[in-house]
Amino acid sequence: DADVTQTPRNRITKTGKRIMLECSQTKGHDRMYWYRQDPGLGLRLIYYSFDVKDINKGEISDGYSVSRQAQAKFSLSLESAIPNQTALYFCATSDLGGFYNEQFFGPGTRLTVL
Amino acid sequence: GIQVEQSPPDLILQEGANSTLRCNFSDSVNNLQWFHQNPWGQLINLFYIPSGTKQNGRLSATTVATERYSLLYISSSQTTDSGVYFCAVEADFGNEKLTFGTGTRLTIIP
Repeated sequence: DADVTQTPRNRITKTGKRIMLECSQTKGHDRMYWYRQDPGLGLRLIYYSFDVKDINKGEISDGYSVSRQAQAKFSLSLESAIPNQTALYFCATSDLGGFYNEQFFGPGTRLTVL
Repeated sequence: GIQVEQSPPDLILQEGANSTLRCNFSDSVNNLQWFHQNPWGQLINLFYIPSGTKQNGRLSATTVATERYSLLYISSSQTTDSGVYFCAVEADFGNEKLTFGTGTRLTIIP
């Protein structure tokens, strides 16, 4: 089984709709992250969380919100989707306890906003 | 914030050829990772290498932290090596966030 899973894997929605992307991990990591990738570009950080009570904005948080329901779950919401939020979204995790901050990524969610 | 530049942006090679991909970064780093994004969009961890040299099969990587660059070597390329290779770094002032380069797109022709 995959260590980091994302649901849904693909989603098409309409402008103005609320949508939630979910991430679950079985790696036991404390840190979780949400990134987006636009065509031809690298990943950019949306939000990150270092534990259940910790939420931090990344470089492109406008238009997004997150919820850390448990150590293993981190959800990303688009309250009112717009077409320029069409992108590939990745969840990632890393281990708080170790010296190394190696991040591990989920398979991605391809979101299209019409 | 820290800047990450990758070169070349695109590379087309014949199967069996060797290649070197470069990542330059503008500040000292705690963490440097190389990823392969396959044609299905999945990101695969290749190396965690803030300094030194590592090898894994046909792939190896070297980071010279004092000179702020890292190199990824791919030998005897196969068509399955095609995709985009990303370098990502965490700056050395404790913000614990990865900044990605824009990637090198590698195409291996049979």
